[in-house]
Amino acid sequence: EAEVAQSPRYKITEKSQAVAFWCDPISGHATLYWYRQILGQGPELLVQFQDESVVDDSQLPKDRFSAERLKGVDSTLKIQPAELGDSAMYLCASSFFGTSGSNEQFFGPGTRLTVL
Amino acid sequence: ELKVEQNPLFLSMQEGKNYTIYCNYSTTSDRLYWYRQDPGKSLESLFVLLSNGAVKQEGRLMASLDTKARLSTLHITAAVHDLSATYFCAVGFLNDKLIFGTGTRLQVFP
Repeated sequence: EAEVAQSPRYKITEKSQAVAFWCDPISGHATLYWYRQILGQGPELLVQFQDESVVDDSQLPKDRFSAERLKGVDSTLKIQPAELGDSAMYLCASSFFGTSGSNEQFFGPGTRLTVL
Repeated sequence: ELKVEQNPLFLSMQEGKNYTIYCNYSTTSDRLYWYRQDPGKSLESLFVLLSNGAVKQEGRLMASLDTKARLSTLHITAAVHDLSATYFCAVGFLNDKLIFGTGTRLQVFP
């Protein structure tokens, strides 16, 4: 069964360090999303890609966060420098872009980030 | 501001009982999704509701959508322990952006 892959699953870092997360969407899914989920809350969209183009990054803290999807397949989310408040679960999701489909998003296992 | 509110936030229920989780949203949409999340895990898709009056059922869970009232419900029938998890509704907007609700943490006890 096709799944969204993410790595690493867990990351512990000290504040002011740089961290990077990787996501490989389900094959054929043109749309890729990065979410941040703080403990006890629902996921919040950070950035959305359609192929290699950014569709929505309005909630991405651009002074420290960056995201890319250079070839329109896998994607990397980077934080530099990390702050204590960045501790959260970072979820990647993908969906098949279609005019009549449900555009259902499928989520990866997530990366749990702890900033010390 | 777009808002998606769920209630209750926490639900403790006895096995065998029925209950409903409510999801209200503040602006027009005709797409609503329900997800389940186990502690420390990712989100599992449960239902996709794409039109007014849509109703879907899977096992002991049934979801419905009323776009005019901007309301979706997730009904639990004869709860069992395995249903213990956090349930999120998410409303679909322009460009397939999802706005998630606050989540309902469900605990089923014997």
